[in-house]
Amino acid sequence: GQSLEQPSEVTAVEGAIVQINCTYQTSGFYGLSWYQQHDGGAPTFLSYNALDGLEETGRFSSFLSRSDSYGYLLLQELQMKDSASYFCAGGRGSTLGRLYFGRGTQLTVWP
Amino acid sequence: NAGVMQNPRHLVRRRGQEARLRCSPMKGHSHVYWYRQLPEEGLKFMVYLQKENIIDESGMPKERFSAEFPKEGPSILRIQQVVRGDSAAYFCASSPPQNSGNTIYFGEGSWLTVV
Repeated sequence: GQSLEQPSEVTAVEGAIVQINCTYQTSGFYGLSWYQQHDGGAPTFLSYNALDGLEETGRFSSFLSRSDSYGYLLLQELQMKDSASYFCAGGRGSTLGRLYFGRGTQLTVWP
Repeated sequence: NAGVMQNPRHLVRRRGQEARLRCSPMKGHSHVYWYRQLPEEGLKFMVYLQKENIIDESGMPKERFSAEFPKEGPSILRIQQVVRGDSAAYFCASSPPQNSGNTIYFGEGSWLTVV
């Protein structure tokens, strides 16, 4: 089956850097995506790694190592508004849009 | 450019009733996906549709659940004879025809409560 593991919660203070790891056990995964979800809101796309390496988008960066079945989301210069759940998700090339989600990491940013 | 539109946002049904959830994809998107999210869990894929076609329904429960995406109008997720275990947030997502990045865009969700 498909499974993605990520920590259940992380806390940090404003201005800090946080890394949320994601390991997956599956075959045929076609890249790793990250989504942010505030309480009661829609999951919002953050980033996608199709290939190994680092992708940077503003304060957020995402990394993928396909040989290690591992990725992470790096959040820099944390702000209070970054408090949310973060999900890693993997897709298989044969079923575009069908994503397998981890259970999510609840990030709490303290002042 | 409007995003993915879902309605109703909140729906309360008694056990045994039917629930209908509607989803209009983003403009220019022809692929629609439905996901279900239980409290404090990740999203679980249910079904993938294109206009007038069900492409992948492997995540749909075998009974009581159905989905459609007609040529005209929104996609509908229908749950018949609801039970308490159906209480969840149901998210619709859409993507353009050329979705090389596996990026899908979610609506705000429909929160179903079965009493």
